Amino acid sequence: EVLLVESGGGLVRPGESLRLSCVVSGFSFDDYGMTWVRQIPGKGLEWVSTINWNGDRTQYADSVKGRSIISRDNAKNTLYLQLNNLRVEDTAFYYCARVRFTYGFPLYPDSWGQGTLVTVSS
Amino acid sequence: EIVLAQSPGILSLSPGERAALSCRASQTINRNYVAWFQQKPGQAPRLLISGASSRATGIPDRFSGSGSGTDFTLTINRLEPEDFALYYCQQYGSSPWTFGQGTKVEIK
Repeated sequence: EVLLVESGGGLVRPGESLRLSCVVSGFSFDDYGMTWVRQIPGKGLEWVSTINWNGDRTQYADSVKGRSIISRDNAKNTLYLQLNNLRVEDTAFYYCARVRFTYGFPLYPDSWGQGTLVTVSS
Repeated sequence: EIVLAQSPGILSLSPGERAALSCRASQTINRNYVAWFQQKPGQAPRLLISGASSRATGIPDRFSGSGSGTDFTLTINRLEPEDFALYYCQQYGSSPWTFGQGTKVEIK
């Protein structure tokens, strides 16, 4: 069974940092790219960042570019998202998801974790 | 970036009826790279359709996707009680990925 479990969310103040983690099991982690998608409670989905299988290719949404770093540790089957200089508008559930790449191009997220809630408030 | 407009915002139907959900893009989506997801309260999105029309593993055949270019449709034949949920389309043909705002299928 494919399983993705996020952690690391919580309540932080504006300007602070958080590191989210996503531990996976049930598939060969290094055969897949990975992505983060967020969702403001009660609202729609927003893509945040994507990383390829070995971490040498990363992409970021403009809304987090320069404030976030996506990374992975294939030995630990773990994906990370470092969020810096957090803003109130970063408040959301953050989902990690598995992504297959084809010829270096990311396709769709096919399996998702249950999400971790990040709340940014003073 | 490509903007996806889903319609209607809310679809009120009875079990056994057919649902047709629309997703219209602001520009042509490369290779018809459109996915559809179902989301229930408190749950993560679940992949239903990729490549506009390919059902994901384990998805019942009452779910079907169609369309090309800028206009795409998710059809749910013979709605089952578990199908009442939120549905999102997503394009992955161009960066950045974008999602529609969602269509809620509710029980009439």
